[in-house]
Amino acid sequence: DAMVIQNPRYQVTQFGKPVTLSCSQTLNHNVMYWYQQKSSQAPKLLFHYYDKDFNNEADTPDNFQSRRPNTSFCFLDIRSPGLGDAAMYLCATSRLGAGAGGEETQYFGPGTRLLVL
Amino acid sequence: QKEVEQNSGPLSVPEGAIASLNCTYSDRGSQSFFWYRQYSGKSPELIMFIYSNGDKEDGRFTAQLNKASQYVSLLIRDSQPSDSATYLCAVTASGGSYIPTFGRGTSLIVHP
Repeated sequence: DAMVIQNPRYQVTQFGKPVTLSCSQTLNHNVMYWYQQKSSQAPKLLFHYYDKDFNNEADTPDNFQSRRPNTSFCFLDIRSPGLGDAAMYLCATSRLGAGAGGEETQYFGPGTRLLVL
Repeated sequence: QKEVEQNSGPLSVPEGAIASLNCTYSDRGSQSFFWYRQYSGKSPELIMFIYSNGDKEDGRFTAQLNKASQYVSLLIRDSQPSDSATYLCAVTASGGSYIPTFGRGTSLIVHP
């Protein structure tokens, strides 16, 4: 089945120790998104790639970076995690420009739960 | 600031009842409306999307859109305990934006 995969599912890191979260997709979607979600809150968009074009949200801290080496993979790098960065990180994809209904629909991976000690 | 508002709940309904979840949005020109289900500790899962005024049915789920009143609702018929989850409403704005704005979600509890 076509899907969005995230690794690892759980990540424990130390305060200030860099961490990388990965996302891959077999849907051949051209847009990939990274969200941060804390308990009882709406998912917060950090950035997204539309094809190779990177789009950063204005309020995303510089501590968060992203790479998309190819269509299938996208990475979230947290350079110096703080206690406030503990959250669920969600990767989502969508296929835009196909001219079909529902193209803004986002499909989410299972998420990575990040714990910062 | 485009806003999507949902009552955080919890909304508690007995098994077999109809659960009604509501969502209001501020951007009158919003184009696309999505409902996601999110179990505790899991990621959002798409239930359905709706574009046009009126009702859209998929199994036990019905989405209702009223653009004039700027609300979208989700009805769950014959609610089951397995429907207990948080339901997120997401709305894409006018002007060709493809980035949805999410509400905080409504927690639904279906008790036996």
